Amino acid sequence: DAGVIQSPRHEVTEMGQEVTLRCKPISGHNSLFWYRQTMMRGLELLIYFNNNVPIDDSGMPEDRFSAKMPNASFSTLKIQPSEPRDSAVYFCASKAGTDNEKLFFGSGTQLSVL
Amino acid sequence: SQQGEEDPQALSIQEGENATMNCSYKTSINNLQWYRQNSGRGLVHLILIRSNEREKHSGRLRVTLDTSKKSSSLLITASRAADTASYFCAPSSGGSYIPTFGRGTSLIVHP
Repeated sequence: DAGVIQSPRHEVTEMGQEVTLRCKPISGHNSLFWYRQTMMRGLELLIYFNNNVPIDDSGMPEDRFSAKMPNASFSTLKIQPSEPRDSAVYFCASKAGTDNEKLFFGSGTQLSVL
Repeated sequence: SQQGEEDPQALSIQEGENATMNCSYKTSINNLQWYRQNSGRGLVHLILIRSNEREKHSGRLRVTLDTSKKSSSLLITASRAADTASYFCAPSSGGSYIPTFGRGTSLIVHP
């Protein structure tokens, strides 16, 4: 298996632009997570899905952030409009089962908003 | 959900020495996982210990769990330069089994 695949690997954009991050989870995994990592705040959980349904989005910082999972093999995290403080590494992770299962992380998207 | 807090924030040792990292959490847990992150990469799962377990081993890794103190430790024996990475603990509690992460311990192993 190719693992969790994220794209793009790096994204540089200007303030106010829309940014879309993409994730393909491991086939057969039914839970998907979006995390954001910064030096100041560490690794924060933004949102997670079970069976394509958003379960908890309390970590999404603002209405500018939205996430979708239209099917079991694809998810997007969108920021519109983007701001410099959104600069971070965004990770997608997936896991099989609903309990006691380890997370598999993608390589992340390094986002820089100028 | 709750966050684990790793201690120390940074650790620098020589190759061959043992490295010990600690994790504290606030409420009762279902399990606790440890992950490693190499620079510029995603996290990789190392080991999971359940709330009814006290110690677990995996190769050069030894994890202990003390639920009375709400703490866990990760010991890496005979460290290697390749162990240089950040290490995160991730407790999960409640019915969701969702691991949450802190800032991690940055380990540097000098050859």
